[in-house]
Amino acid sequence: DAGVTQSPTHLIKTRGQHVTLRCSPISGHKSVSWYQQVLGQGPQFIFQYYEKEERGRGNFPDRFSARQFPNYSSELNVNALLLGDSALYLCASSLDLGGVQPQHFGDGTRLSIL
Amino acid sequence: TQLLEQSPQFLSIQEGENLTVYCNSSSVFSSLQWYRQEPGEGPVLLVTVVTGGEVKKLKRLTFQFGDARKDSSLHITAAQPGDTGLYLCAGRRDSNYQLIWGAGTKLIIKP
Repeated sequence: DAGVTQSPTHLIKTRGQHVTLRCSPISGHKSVSWYQQVLGQGPQFIFQYYEKEERGRGNFPDRFSARQFPNYSSELNVNALLLGDSALYLCASSLDLGGVQPQHFGDGTRLSIL
Repeated sequence: TQLLEQSPQFLSIQEGENLTVYCNSSSVFSSLQWYRQEPGEGPVLLVTVVTGGEVKKLKRLTFQFGDARKDSSLHITAAQPGDTGLYLCAGRRDSNYQLIWGAGTKLIIKP
């Protein structure tokens, strides 16, 4: 079975542009979470979606938005890109919101802002 | 402010040595997970602990959840170069489903 897939794998943008990152969860998984990981740090929670509804939001500005589609895939959008948005963006899927459900991560999208 | 503090931040040891990595918080977690992340890849789940005082073993790796469910440790026996990676702990609070992450311990095992 395919794992969590993210696209693109790498992306270079300039300040002020916008970006859309995509994630396909493991088949059967209904929950998708997005994280930002800056080099040398642990992941920072951005959003969680379950059954197409936002179920959690981290401490990120309104420039960050996301959505989940009927097939449970998800997009993360970032507007008005800043240099500080350069990071690895990780998507994780899980069966549901259960407290001990493991999250399965994709390999991320490496976003570089020039 | 990291709600989960990991120590040490960096550890470089020789193959065959033992080591312990710590994950500490002042908050109580309903469950805590340990992940390993290699360069260019996403984190991979190693173990989930849910009961205070719980000990789980995964080959040469031993994970312990503190009695008060505020801290955890990862002990590696006879470390091997294949153990090299970034070890992350992540906890889930009782009140919501979000995972709170530590900053990680970068481990290098030299042959």
